[in-house]
Amino acid sequence: KNQVEQSPQSLIILEGKNCTLQCNYTVSPFSNLRWYKQDTGRGPVSLTIMTFSENTKSNGRYTATLDADTKQSSLHITASQLSDSASYICVVTEANDYKLSFGAGTTVTVRA
Amino acid sequence: DTAVSQTPKYLVTQMGNDKSIKCEQNLGHDTMYWYKQDSKKFLKIMFSYNNKELIINETVPNRFSPKSPDKAHLNLHINSLELGDSAVYFCASSQDQVGPGANVLTFGAGSRLTVL
Repeated sequence: KNQVEQSPQSLIILEGKNCTLQCNYTVSPFSNLRWYKQDTGRGPVSLTIMTFSENTKSNGRYTATLDADTKQSSLHITASQLSDSASYICVVTEANDYKLSFGAGTTVTVRA
Repeated sequence: DTAVSQTPKYLVTQMGNDKSIKCEQNLGHDTMYWYKQDSKKFLKIMFSYNNKELIINETVPNRFSPKSPDKAHLNLHINSLELGDSAVYFCASSQDQVGPGANVLTFGAGSRLTVL
């Protein structure tokens, strides 16, 4: 069973609207959690990184939250743009050996 | 300048053939990786190299062999290609093998392999 589960698998939103992506993990002990954005035909690019002590972090219109107690993270996209259409991948790092666990990603499609 | 570059971007070949994908990074990173992304977009690590030494070899068939001529290059050779090998293969690099810099991955643009 994968240690990082993302939901929804995909979603479609209208330009200008907001959306929230979820990431639940069982990785332990926890080191950090990173959200990547993968545009079609490109490699993933890091958006944010959250450590144990951080609850929220923003990168422009992207805001990530972390609840280390419930082992949940979310990525909120505000005022979506067409360029936000991409897959968003949650990656959790284990503290002992720094092994990475990848989620399957959420595919976001923004329509005009 | 492209930080992590891989070639070719597209590769179409017949079953049974042998092919290679090349990767180069100009970031001065110590560790390089190969990931396979299947049709469901799930990224799975295949190999990583640190200072020319293989440090991770997940359960991939021995038809796949990584070769690193130097710290900046990690090539992927695939022998006797099978239909199930069709996927997008991503090269990546990171500053460290372990520690906080280990998960700051810089990915290449990917190489889409199609086996007919």
